[in-house]
Amino acid sequence: EAQVTQNPRYLITVTGKKLTVTCSQNMNHEYMSWYRQDPGLGLRQIYYSMNVEVTDKGDVPEGYKVSRKEKRNFPLILESPSPNQTSLYFCASSTSGRASEQFFGPGTRLTVL
Amino acid sequence: GQQVMQIPQYQHVQEGEDFTTYCNSSTTLSNIQWYKQRPGGHPVFLIQLVKSGEVKKQKRLTFQFGEAKKNSSLHITATQTTDVGTYFCAGPPRAGGTSYGKLTFGQGTILTVHP
Repeated sequence: EAQVTQNPRYLITVTGKKLTVTCSQNMNHEYMSWYRQDPGLGLRQIYYSMNVEVTDKGDVPEGYKVSRKEKRNFPLILESPSPNQTSLYFCASSTSGRASEQFFGPGTRLTVL
Repeated sequence: GQQVMQIPQYQHVQEGEDFTTYCNSSTTLSNIQWYKQRPGGHPVFLIQLVKSGEVKKQKRLTFQFGEAKKNSSLHITATQTTDVGTYFCAGPPRAGGTSYGKLTFGQGTILTVHP
């Protein structure tokens, strides 16, 4: 089944404790991106990747890192999480970049205490 | 940078009433995409419009793309309880510039339908 998977689905952590949210897609998509969703603010893009080893900042990249060593995986790294990074995170992928249908993962709800 | 505004933020309707959400971009778009997110779920692609003035229908849903390719609307006729959710638009700017991978979403319209 074609899908985007994220892990973990739920995470409660404390300020400053490094964490990684994994994202994997099995559709051979070149384009992948990360979003955070906050009430009233919609989906805001954190980082995107056009292909392996090609990543760039979205609209809200501060406090986040990403890597794209393999085509299928696009982990989101929070090196020193803070409470303002408490949010719902979605990974997405598409076959033709931003101009085509985005396939979203199920989401990761992160709480930083 | 590009801004995509969506209104209204909330819409409460009685089942059977119509619903419309509007999406406006500060820049000309190459296309407009619409997504639906059910409560507790993830955004799911509904449709993409590419041509200026394009209108597409999916059963009770009608999507329009403005002539200037800067605005769009989604209209639902005779809402049903299954229409409940948040509707997002997303619009990549017309090709060009350095941010070739950025995709900006509107804030979304939360639709509730009272039976």
